[in-house]
Amino acid sequence: ETGVTQTPRHLVMGMTNKKSLKCEQHLGHNAMYWYKQSAKKPLELMFVYNFKEQTENNSVPSRFSPECPNSSHLFLHLHTLQPEDSALYLCASSQDLVEGIYEQYFGPGTRLTVT
Amino acid sequence: GESVGLHLPTLSVQEGDNSIINCAYSNSASDYFIWYKQESGKGPQFIIDIRSNMDKRQGQRVTVLLNKTVKHLSLQIAATQPGDSAVYFCAERDNFNKFYFGSGTKLNVKP
Repeated sequence: ETGVTQTPRHLVMGMTNKKSLKCEQHLGHNAMYWYKQSAKKPLELMFVYNFKEQTENNSVPSRFSPECPNSSHLFLHLHTLQPEDSALYLCASSQDLVEGIYEQYFGPGTRLTVT
Repeated sequence: GESVGLHLPTLSVQEGDNSIINCAYSNSASDYFIWYKQESGKGPQFIIDIRSNMDKRQGQRVTVLLNKTVKHLSLQIAATQPGDSAVYFCAERDNFNKFYFGSGTKLNVKP
């Protein structure tokens, strides 16, 4: 256990559905991240939050909408997704974005399938 | 753009042998590198890191080597065990504090 939990672990949704992914960290960290991991492709950073403020949006389509109500929780709201959005979505946290503290702790991921 | 790649997509080793996983990066300004291990059904797990002012760093059974001249990073695992079977990938941080990840090498440890 890394101290980062994600729910659900598996999700199948149609292109017209709306769903949300949830991430919770129990490490007292201040920075949280969403990544997309597709088969045989490198991890893609999607969003970064530091102290609840979004600090990075890596040109992610608007059908993905993040929400960070506090430093321990991070959501990814999904709507009108495409089949190519099927992937493993990973959440991570780190102490913060202060210089020199980079170690990120990853959750187990949500395996998303868009039909 | 950034490019972090791996020379081999899969590596099979005998239990007890040493494993070497390689990674190439393209940005000579990158100053920090990390190796991750990802087991099936789990998220990536930090293994070891190295800063660009170092050539070598050792952990428990793992060693990371950095060759800045050829922009090459390697992960050495001593006495490889079945529990080491996983996908390993590297990450680099560029001079804009952005991380780029490799696509991974799958390590198979044969008993």
